[in-house]
Amino acid sequence: KQEVTQIPAALSVPEGENLVLNCSFTDSAIYNLQWFRQDPGKGLTSLLLIQSSQREQTSGRLNASLDKSSGRSTLYIAASQPGDSATYLCAVSHQAGTALIFGKGTTLSVSS
Amino acid sequence: SQTIHQWPATLVQPVGSPLSLECTVEGTSNPNLYWYRQAAGRGLQLLFYSVGIGQISSEVPQNLSASRPQDRQFILSSKKLLLSDSGFYLCAWSVPRTSPYNEQFFGPGTRLTVL
Repeated sequence: KQEVTQIPAALSVPEGENLVLNCSFTDSAIYNLQWFRQDPGKGLTSLLLIQSSQREQTSGRLNASLDKSSGRSTLYIAASQPGDSATYLCAVSHQAGTALIFGKGTTLSVSS
Repeated sequence: SQTIHQWPATLVQPVGSPLSLECTVEGTSNPNLYWYRQAAGRGLQLLFYSVGIGQISSEVPQNLSASRPQDRQFILSSKKLLLSDSGFYLCAWSVPRTSPYNEQFFGPGTRLTVL
């Protein structure tokens, strides 16, 4: 059974720092991996999707990497801003059109 | 562009009452549709998914049910709510299985409190 773990559960950093959020999964036979952002009381916003054949994806200040063989992904946020404060969720799928299996998230707080 | 709507945004219901949550998607055809629940202290859990009208797959046995009466409409129901049904319910969509991508897009959610 696939399990997704995100470490740390919470992270506080001052504005301007570069930071890394970690995601690990127990079954490396994934179809893709998706990173989301969730603001308090809101739905999920898709940030990046990495196909199983890809190593990384970039969008603006965000860079996500995938090492499928070791069951790990990282989300790198450059030059963090207070507006980046949110919970970041990692999720994997095993097949197109099927469920995403989520980690419990990392809650990020960026202070000005 | 595609948009996904959920209503109501918040709901407070007594134990034993019925439930109906609605999700609709605009701007796409034949999407895969999903219902997830996010309970306090727990991760997001898939409840149901659908690849077409009338086609529903259940991931977790419970007192909830789902229906897809139209291509872009997904409904989550219960005949009698339990306290444990409280949570944040999220609807999501993705392009059909034939696509190489499976990026899922989420709605704004419904906060359900059962008292």
